[in-house]
Amino acid sequence: KAGVTQTPRYLIKTRGQQVTLSCSPISGHRSVSWYQQTPGQGLQFLFEYFSETQRNKGNFPGRFSGRQFSNSRSEMNVSTLELGDSALYLCASSSLAIVNEQFFGPGTRLTVL
Amino acid sequence: KQEVTQIPAALSVPEGENLVLNCSFTDSAIYNLQWFRQDPGKGLTSLLLIQSSQREQTSGRLNASLDKSSGRSTLYIAASQPGDSATYLCAVMDAGGTSYGKLTFGQGTILTVHP
Repeated sequence: KAGVTQTPRYLIKTRGQQVTLSCSPISGHRSVSWYQQTPGQGLQFLFEYFSETQRNKGNFPGRFSGRQFSNSRSEMNVSTLELGDSALYLCASSSLAIVNEQFFGPGTRLTVL
Repeated sequence: KQEVTQIPAALSVPEGENLVLNCSFTDSAIYNLQWFRQDPGKGLTSLLLIQSSQREQTSGRLNASLDKSSGRSTLYIAASQPGDSATYLCAVMDAGGTSYGKLTFGQGTILTVHP
């Protein structure tokens, strides 16, 4: 079974631009979670989608948004990029609603100049 | 608010040594706890998942225990090898309807195993 895939793997943007990141979960998995990883803050939860519905959201500004499609693929969007948005963005998928193991993708490295 | 702490922050050991990584969490109302490893610049690899009703899980040279009442978990690595060098992360999923898909992570333990 193929693992979680994320595209693109690397991105360089300038302040004020917007960016869209994509995540394809493991086949059959319906839950997708997104995390931001920075050296200072570590791994922080952004949001989670299940069957195209956002069920949970972390403490991030409204510039961070996401969606999930009927095939469970998910995208996250960051508008009006700031220097502090530079991070590794990771998505994870799991097969059931709550108690299942999360499997992570390789991440997208975003650099904001 | 759940907080996860990992001790030590970094650990350097000679090859062949057995070692223990520690994880503590402040709220014992959890669904599960996962241990991950992360290689530099890469994603997370799931090592072990312990459900809240379980006390331990084993996979190869790895053994993880969970003491939910005291808010602690340990990851035991037997006969360490240089290939075990990585950052090890502990994460918990809280019980309750506001916890869908959310893991709370510790800051990690950076492990170096030297030949």
